[in-house]
Amino acid sequence: AQSVAQPEDQVNVAEGNPLTVKCTYSVSGNPYLFWYVQYPNRGLQFLLKYITGDNLVKGSYGFEAEFNKSQTSFHLKKPSALVSDSALYFCAVSPSVTGGFKTIFGAGTRLFVKA
Amino acid sequence: GAGVSQTPSNKVTEKGKYVELRCDPISGHTALYWYRQSLGQGPEFLIYFQGTGAADDSGLPNDRFFAVRPEGSVSTLKIQRTERGDSAVYLCASSPTGHVTDTQYFGPGTRLTVL
Repeated sequence: AQSVAQPEDQVNVAEGNPLTVKCTYSVSGNPYLFWYVQYPNRGLQFLLKYITGDNLVKGSYGFEAEFNKSQTSFHLKKPSALVSDSALYFCAVSPSVTGGFKTIFGAGTRLFVKA
Repeated sequence: GAGVSQTPSNKVTEKGKYVELRCDPISGHTALYWYRQSLGQGPEFLIYFQGTGAADDSGLPNDRFFAVRPEGSVSTLKIQRTERGDSAVYLCASSPTGHVTDTQYFGPGTRLTVL
């Protein structure tokens, strides 16, 4: 069965410091991996995705993520956190083309960036 | 351009009642998805439409839940005989083609409370 794990319910980081939000996955076939962010009272917004090619993916608002096939991970990173990055972050996996259309989301990680 | 819109933003109903939740996708997007997000959880897939047809309804929890998209644009999620456990935020998303590598664009959600 396909699954996504976000092992940390919450990540705290000081403004200006690097941040990492962790994600691991389990999926048969080639994974398609996504990160979305949810701000209070707003819908999920797309940050970045890995489909194929370069393992380091760059996305919106200075975020990037590294696909690691051997560790089945897709951690979200940013070199210098901003207070405005405080939000709920979701990792998601879509199945390979033979796996149907069900996107699986992790439970989310709340990021707090302290000034 | 306009994003995905959902109405109502909030719905309070009594146990046993019938409710309809509406989703207006981004114009031109052929794929439409419904998710349910319970408190502290990530979005849980319910159903996926490609055009007018439900291509994958494997996430609908039981036969009280039904969704339609008669003209390939607006979709309505219908819940019969609501139960307290149906209380959640119902999210709608659309994507350009429905391919598993597509980015999904989410609406703000409808918060359903069943008393």
